[in-house]
Order: sequence, then structure tokens, then C-alpha cells
Amino acid sequence: DAKTTQPPSMDCAEGRAANLPCNHSTISGNEYVYWYRQIHSQGPQYIIHGLKNNETNEMASLIITEDRKSSTLILPHATLRDTAVYYCIVRVSFDDKLIFGTGTRLQVFP
Amino acid sequence: DAGVIQSPRHEVTEMGQEVTLRCKPISGHNSLFWYRQTMMRGLELLIYFNNNVPIDDSGMPEDRFSAKMPNASFSTLKIQPSEPRDSAVYFCASSQQRGNNEQFFGPGTRLTVL
Repeated sequence: DAKTTQPPSMDCAEGRAANLPCNHSTISGNEYVYWYRQIHSQGPQYIIHGLKNNETNEMASLIITEDRKSSTLILPHATLRDTAVYYCIVRVSFDDKLIFGTGTRLQVFP
Repeated sequence: DAGVIQSPRHEVTEMGQEVTLRCKPISGHNSLFWYRQTMMRGLELLIYFNNNVPIDDSGMPEDRFSAKMPNASFSTLKIQPSEPRDSAVYFCASSQQRGNNEQFFGPGTRLTVL
């Protein structure tokens, strides 16, 4: 599986957009980009995934560059409850495995 | 929907004892995953099942660990004998089918081996 690189930590003011970057420069054509997050002491939670088009759901937006070597997860209006570790994962479509890296610890402050 | 259910939520045991962790996946899901999370190693996949059959157990650390899924609604992860280095949070997750679907995680079992 392609590996991902994320900044270890980020801060964001409440109400502002949080933009979390992820590098996956060795991604293959059949690999999807997934985002999960883990709020303290809870199990990871699925956020969004995409292949090459930008995606949006009720939680977030996912912007994937045209060359697919990087992506950005956008939380449009961050709240204190969005404080968590965010994991960017590259996963082959037919492969069940989720390989978690170290993620980005997002701290949302008032 | 109750989500993925794990029991116990906390377990404290002494070195050498047998530990059994339990998981009930979401009804209708046919893939089940066991993960372990520690500060040192992060979140690691131990084993996963599809339709009650183990598909990949390459993440199981050693023979002291074993997992079973006797039916679609129940799985166990057993450690025998337990060691202090097994102390971790163990998560169970399930998904609807193999491939491109989200995994739903349980609340985890925090295991402490003294």
C-alpha cells in the first residue's frame, strides 16, 4: 500500500475552516484516499473517501489534486468537538485492510 | 442500531492469566476486524474475518493470541497467557461487505496486564 505523510499537529479556531493536508505521492491508480478520525478514548470514525474527484458529505469535504499525489480534508466550520486525531489512509479498493499511520492531531480552540 | 458492542470495556489481569475479549458486530455486516492500539505502535490490524472465515491474521503478534468467529454475530480475541506488553486498547470493527466500505468501530476494551 502507498504510504501517507501528515503533519503531526495543527490548531484551528472554532468556527473557522480546518484544512488538513495529506501527501500520498506513491498512490496507485486503483487506490482510494480515506479519512478517519479518533476522538480521545473512542474508536476511529469514518469521515469520507474518494478516488480522484472531490467529495463532500455532511461532515467534510475532500479535495484531491489532479495528479492524486496529495489531498486535503476540509472541516468547513470547526467546533470544539472536532478536536481529534485525523488519519489519512490509502487503500486498494478490493483490499479490506486499513493501515493507520500516526495522523494529525487537530486542536480546535475557542 | 446499537453499533459494534465490545465487552468488557475494561479488564485488569495478572501476567499469565487468560484474557478473552468479546465483540458483537453490527447486524448484517459480514466483515469483522480486530485492532490493537498502543502509544508506541499506534493502531494495528491484528486479524479480520469475512463471512466468519479468517482472511488475514498476519497482524497477530504471536501464538499467544487467537481469534474466533463462531457465527455472524459474535467474535472473540483470546490471549493466553497474557503478558504486561499486551496492555493496550483493543478495538473491534465491522463493515457491510468486503472492499470499499466504511468500517464501524466499537468503543474498545482497555486491557491492563500487571
